[in-house]
Amino acid sequence: GAGVSQSPSNKVTEKGKDVELRCDPISGHTALYWYRQSLGQGLEFLIYFQGNSAPDKSGLPSDRFSAERTGGSVSTLTIQRTQQEDSAVYLCASSLGGGQPQHFGDGTRLSIL
Amino acid sequence: QQQVKQSPQSLIVQKGGISIINCAYENTAFDYFPWYQQFPGKGPALLIAIRPDVSEKKEGRFTISFNKSAKQFSLHIMDSQPGDSATYFCAASPGGGADGLTFGKGTHLIIQP
Repeated sequence: GAGVSQSPSNKVTEKGKDVELRCDPISGHTALYWYRQSLGQGLEFLIYFQGNSAPDKSGLPSDRFSAERTGGSVSTLTIQRTQQEDSAVYLCASSLGGGQPQHFGDGTRLSIL
Repeated sequence: QQQVKQSPQSLIVQKGGISIINCAYENTAFDYFPWYQQFPGKGPALLIAIRPDVSEKKEGRFTISFNKSAKQFSLHIMDSQPGDSATYFCAASPGGGADGLTFGKGTHLIIQP
């Protein structure tokens, strides 16, 4: 596709369950970023990948959050033992790297019951 | 610690008027300053960005003004149109923009016809 693709677009799950969110970056983009958007906290940076490595994991809110990227393309963000405060829109962005602009997908809206 | 402060939270402007949104930052390592526009249910879309080696950048009706000594930057939207009604976010990043973005809290802009 032409843009960043995220799936699912919506996810509702029960507290305590694990969830996986997927991001397909723009073809050829080497850098990939995860953000979280919530009413209370606004847009927060979580983690970024350059290729398959993650130089900066400083934004991950707890050890229940992890992310991986394989093959320098698709990335998954995993949240274990979900809590109600994890409810938010999770956004993925990609770029050509080296300070080039970040382009965002439309996000996954996660609701924890 | 809120590293990027954005104001106002909301703004109403008449069609054809000038919309002005301001941001201030604290981290002197920031060297890349983009503005994003977001419509409901969509991801943020890059509008315009500036680096500290220039004090102003203009693209169409959108202008960024940058004051390095005051650690402030602003977005001006000239000839504002109803289609500009959206939420606007300023952001900042170190590393020339390669690192994760730190966002302001956003400004909800309404252009009245």
